[in-house]
Amino acid sequence: NAGVTQTPKFQVLKTGQSMTLQCAQDMNHNSMYWYRQDPGMGLRLIYYSASEGTTDKGEVPNGYNVSRLNKREFSLRLESAAPSQTSVYFCASRGAPPGPGANVLTFGAGSRLTVL
Amino acid sequence: AQTVTQSQPEMSVQEAETVTLSCTYDTSESDYYLFWYKQPPSRQMILVIRQEAYKQQNATENRFSVNFQKAAKSFSLKISDSQLGDAAMYFCAYRVTGNQFYFGTGTSLTVIP
Repeated sequence: NAGVTQTPKFQVLKTGQSMTLQCAQDMNHNSMYWYRQDPGMGLRLIYYSASEGTTDKGEVPNGYNVSRLNKREFSLRLESAAPSQTSVYFCASRGAPPGPGANVLTFGAGSRLTVL
Repeated sequence: AQTVTQSQPEMSVQEAETVTLSCTYDTSESDYYLFWYKQPPSRQMILVIRQEAYKQQNATENRFSVNFQKAAKSFSLKISDSQLGDAAMYFCAYRVTGNQFYFGTGTSLTVIP
């Protein structure tokens, strides 16, 4: 019962470096999400994917790219990291109706990224 | 605009006492879902309770219950018999039709032994 798995859990980058956050879910969920969490700002949506092969921008997409590799996997890429991207990143997934996970987000454990 | 407001950045409660966390939201939709998530120091986001807007009865999960006032667009969380393990950041959220979920800025709850 792994649920949503994110890697890495911690990462330190230098400004201008690139990296990819990986996310995989084993619940056969259709929708997957990437959020960032910053102090005093709650969770803000970066990108989401309603189904395999589709992606859409959220509230704060600038500086990020995503790939929905297959139904299980949804990766987030920072092409040229900036200090403003220092944050905790969460991947989440949601099942399709009428299953029990249809209207609920299930989250990964989060990835703390620091950009120096 | 879809917004969620948690007006209490920090709250504290004595162990075994009851505490209520406030949440208001703004949507023009009539059909939506409301949630409270808990984030302990481990950072994991855990669903505490959810409410469908079309249901008049307030949701309850053991010591956690909500007061859902649809007309006032209010969705407060009541924690009864508070325990040390309840100490966490609590986020209110909702989803209207579509894929996006909207989160508040969180309330940090301290439980005093």
